[in-house]
Amino acid sequence: AQSVTQPDIHITVSEGASLELRCNYSYGATPYLFWYVQSPGQGLQLLLKYFSGDTLVQGIKGFEAEFKRSQSSFNLRKPSVHWSDAAEYFCAVGAAAAGNKLTFGGGTRVLVKP
Amino acid sequence: DAMVIQNPRYQVTQFGKPVTLSCSQTLNHNVMYWYQQKSSQAPKLLFHYYDKDFNNEADTPDNFQSRRPNTSFCFLDIRSPGLGDAAMYLCATSRPGLARKTDTQYFGPGTRLTVL
Repeated sequence: AQSVTQPDIHITVSEGASLELRCNYSYGATPYLFWYVQSPGQGLQLLLKYFSGDTLVQGIKGFEAEFKRSQSSFNLRKPSVHWSDAAEYFCAVGAAAAGNKLTFGGGTRVLVKP
Repeated sequence: DAMVIQNPRYQVTQFGKPVTLSCSQTLNHNVMYWYQQKSSQAPKLLFHYYDKDFNNEADTPDNFQSRRPNTSFCFLDIRSPGLGDAAMYLCATSRPGLARKTDTQYFGPGTRLTVL
């Protein structure tokens, strides 16, 4: 079975500082990996997806993520955070063998200080 | 723009009074999903449809039912809502696979259900 762990429940970062959100997954083969963002009271918006090839994935809103097979990680980064990045971030894993269903991590809430 | 629409955005019901949440899509996707998301938690998959084939998650209570009359619409019925069913309900759609770069689940804005 596939699983996802986001070790940080909350992260507070100053506006303009860099941000890194951790994600570790468990799956027997190379999965599809996703990062979604959820603003309060809203649905989930896809930031980026790893599906094959280049392990550094560029996404929307200036985010990027790096797939590290040896560490079973897919950490999300942004070099300079804006106040509008305050939201909940979910890492997810999907696999054809799991019926293409997504398994979500518990989420990391990001607070941005002025 | 192609999208996933959920109505209503906010729903208040009474304990035990049946309620129906609606989802529609203009993406023409084969698969439609219903998730339950409680405060500060990850979305939890309740069930999904692949075309007309219904797939229930093993731990989804019988209190939750779904209908998909056509490709565009999917409904979530809660037969006898309890206080524990208060949550955000998210609808999502996707193509059948995940292999293409653009393959992912597209989420609606959610319906927040309050049970009094």
